[in-house]
Amino acid sequence: AQSVTQLGSHVSVSEGALVLLRCNYSSSVPPYLFWYVQYPNQGLQLLLKYTSAATLVKGINGFEAEFKKSETSFHLTKPSAHMSDAAEYFCAVSESGANNLFFGTGTRLTVIP
Amino acid sequence: DADVTQTPRNRITKTGKRIMLECSQTKGHDRMYWYRQDPGLGLRLIYYSFDVKDINKGEISDGYSVSRQAQAKFSLSLESAIPNQTALYFCATSGTTGSIWNEQFFGPGTRLTVL
Repeated sequence: AQSVTQLGSHVSVSEGALVLLRCNYSSSVPPYLFWYVQYPNQGLQLLLKYTSAATLVKGINGFEAEFKKSETSFHLTKPSAHMSDAAEYFCAVSESGANNLFFGTGTRLTVIP
Repeated sequence: DADVTQTPRNRITKTGKRIMLECSQTKGHDRMYWYRQDPGLGLRLIYYSFDVKDINKGEISDGYSVSRQAQAKFSLSLESAIPNQTALYFCATSGTTGSIWNEQFFGPGTRLTVL
């Protein structure tokens, strides 16, 4: 069975500070992993994905994530937070070759001026 | 124009009423999905369809039904709405060519309130 745990339902950072959003997964097969972002009153937008190629994945808007099999983690980072990064972020897992996604409970990021 | 549209965007209804949420897409994708989002629970899959003749239950299908009227249209129905179906509902689509895994594209959501 697949599942995703996102530690911290709310994260606050100062503008310019490092953003770190945590995601741990459980999967019985090699996983595909994703980060989605949801801006207020909008649908979800794909930030980045890991599909068994490079373990360090770069996404849009300066975000990146590293797949660490030994830690079953796929944490999302950005070196310097911008006010426009304020949103809710979801980690998701899928079995290789399948399109069904299992989402984490989300982390709301607040950026303090 | 949006590639994935949902109607209505907001709906308030009463317990016991029948409600239909509609999703249309212009991306030419075969696969369509319905999710609900609840605070603190993330998104959960209700139903999905890999083509017009293929309908599958997701994680939380009880109390819901779907209809895939055409490749571009996928409707979600609540036959007799109840208050705990109050949520934000998202439709999503994905293609089947070009890569092993195909990105899901989400609509803007429908906020449903059942009184």
